[in-house]
Amino acid sequence: DSGVTQTPKHLITATGQRVTLRCSPRSGDLSVYWYQQSLDQGLQFLIQYYNGEERAKGNILERFSAQQFPDLHSELNLSSLELGDSALYFCASSASPGTTNTGELFFGEGSRLTVL
Amino acid sequence: AQKVTQAQTEISVVEKEDVTLDCVYETRDTTYYLFWYKQPPSGELVFLIRRNSFDEQNEISGRYSWNFQKSTSSFNFTITASQVVDSAVYFCALSERGRGAQKLVFGQGTRLTINP
Repeated sequence: DSGVTQTPKHLITATGQRVTLRCSPRSGDLSVYWYQQSLDQGLQFLIQYYNGEERAKGNILERFSAQQFPDLHSELNLSSLELGDSALYFCASSASPGTTNTGELFFGEGSRLTVL
Repeated sequence: AQKVTQAQTEISVVEKEDVTLDCVYETRDTTYYLFWYKQPPSGELVFLIRRNSFDEQNEISGRYSWNFQKSTSSFNFTITASQVVDSAVYFCALSERGRGAQKLVFGQGTRLTINP
């Protein structure tokens, strides 16, 4: 158990819809990352938040957005869903700077999104 | 741009054989971190090892060993006396860090099947 919690574990929805994926990082971790794993693209970095602020952006579509709340949980919002958005979405967290930050990312179990 | 290449898409061996998973990376950074993650059939991503760019010592952990060679930009992973439980997809990753941001760039993964 990595200590990172993601909900829901599975989600089935239709094209054009909007969904929200939720992530609670490990206790004490200020950084949250979102990754998308699809068959054709592999594991792709989407976005990183640190203590509520966006720190790094990857290949995140404009239809997708994320935020990190004061309690440090994060949500990834996916809108106008397309068939190609079907994927496993991972959240990860890492130890904060100033601690024993080895750079290791602790991943949640993922949220599997199926768009029909 | 950073890039990680895992040329072996799939490997299949018989139990107790040794197997090496290759990883080649590209980066312009002088300070970077390399990782291996395991993704078993259940789907979660499990951290195996982190190596920083200044430490070229090989590492052994039980049946697992890692060979980091900066001269060839490679970070290979060997499983000795493989077991069926080692069957998984293995990902090599490269971390770029700076200004509080960090993202992992993953290779495409190597699917390892250990047959009884």
